[in-house]
Amino acid sequence: EPEVTQTPSHQVTQMGQEVILRCVPISNHLYFYWYRQILGQKVEFLVSFYNNEISEKSEIFDDQFSVERPDGSNFTLKIRSTKLEDSAMYFCASSGGEEQFFGPGTRLTVL
Amino acid sequence: AQSVTQPDIHITVSEGASLELRCNYSYGATPYLFWYVQSPGQGLQLLLKYFSGDTLVQGIKGFEAEFKRSQSSFNLRKPSVHWSDAAEYFCARKAAGNKLTFGGGTRVLVKP
Repeated sequence: EPEVTQTPSHQVTQMGQEVILRCVPISNHLYFYWYRQILGQKVEFLVSFYNNEISEKSEIFDDQFSVERPDGSNFTLKIRSTKLEDSAMYFCASSGGEEQFFGPGTRLTVL
Repeated sequence: AQSVTQPDIHITVSEGASLELRCNYSYGATPYLFWYVQSPGQGLQLLLKYFSGDTLVQGIKGFEAEFKRSQSSFNLRKPSVHWSDAAEYFCARKAAGNKLTFGGGTRVLVKP
């Protein structure tokens, strides 16, 4: 069964560094999403992406964040100049219709 | 803003007993509603969804949920829990656009 994959599973970085979180969505899906879950808090929407552009973004998704689909299979989230409060689990999801399928997540720890 | 509320943060249930997890959504047009499960260290797995039609929906792993418009609820149920059902459960609503809005989650502990 096709699934969404994410790499790395864990990422530790120093405050101020840039990180790139990678996702491979399900191959025939056209809609892509990033969500995050800070420890002990709700899963929060960050951004949605369709037709090679951002279709919606949350207040959280400021200039520090960017997304890209560099080729036909990957979908990346870049966080520039990471802050302590960026520590969270980041989930990628993809959709071909109404359902969103989630990857296993990348746990980002900013020290 | 459209929101989703899960009133119970933790629920402890004995193995073999029934389970009901509550979910309430804020008023709006007929919502698209989902239940996801997150096992420790895992991603979010879709259990079931409601878009329209029959208000009692069946999902995977023996779960079902009932949509009640009059109560703005979409409660998840399972008649007999197994130890492997210990996990965190999230109710979600598809908001305007395609984004999902999640409830705070309910952590289920299963006693032997």
